[in-house]
Amino acid sequence: AIRMTQSPSSLSASTGDRVTITCRASQGISSYLAWYQQKPGKAPKLLIYAASTLQSGVPSRFSGSGSGTDFTLTISCLQSEDFATYYCQQYYSYPHTFGQGTKLEIK
Amino acid sequence: QVQLVESGGGVVQPGGSLRLSCAASGFTFSSYGMHWVRQAPGKGLEWVAFIRYDGSNKYYADSVKGRFTISRDNSKNTLYLQMNSLRAEDTAVYYCAKDWLGSVDYWGQGTLVTVSS
Repeated sequence: AIRMTQSPSSLSASTGDRVTITCRASQGISSYLAWYQQKPGKAPKLLIYAASTLQSGVPSRFSGSGSGTDFTLTISCLQSEDFATYYCQQYYSYPHTFGQGTKLEIK
Repeated sequence: QVQLVESGGGVVQPGGSLRLSCAASGFTFSSYGMHWVRQAPGKGLEWVAFIRYDGSNKYYADSVKGRFTISRDNSKNTLYLQMNSLRAEDTAVYYCAKDWLGSVDYWGQGTLVTVSS
């Protein structure tokens, strides 16, 4: 199975900051990568698929980049509603696998 | 609007069985692959299984292979997960999820499965 490693595991930031979360795959996955946001007690929400395609309705302050093994999720100007846990997921091959998550907290 | 409503969760003893259901509406169910994803209490997301739109192919996480079976009834717009030989480590919220080009664009609210004696 392909292993997905996110960094950092947790991150403290302030409203208005620019933050970047990294996801690394244990082998090349082309651009078959998605990013999700999850708030406590809620189901995850798709933010980005195909590494850099913004899902409909997702604010443009979210962006994704990368291909092969290294990927990033960037939030350009943090809003209060962005404090949540973020997961990457590869869907290049089965079993699909998630990263361990990055918890974004208010500083 | 897309709705996915899971049911069938509950408390079961180790070694027991449970069948989860997911009622889908708001989209053409028979045209999309479907996933089950779970989340143990306080832990991250774990992909569990996938079934193609027509049921022709199924894939499983190694942790559930041979114990869980994903299936669907397109005439009833319903997805299933039959879980046998349950273990404590299967305790989790189980989400039904709609496939979008391999990722997941819609999720249910989840149903909690607790495996405990």
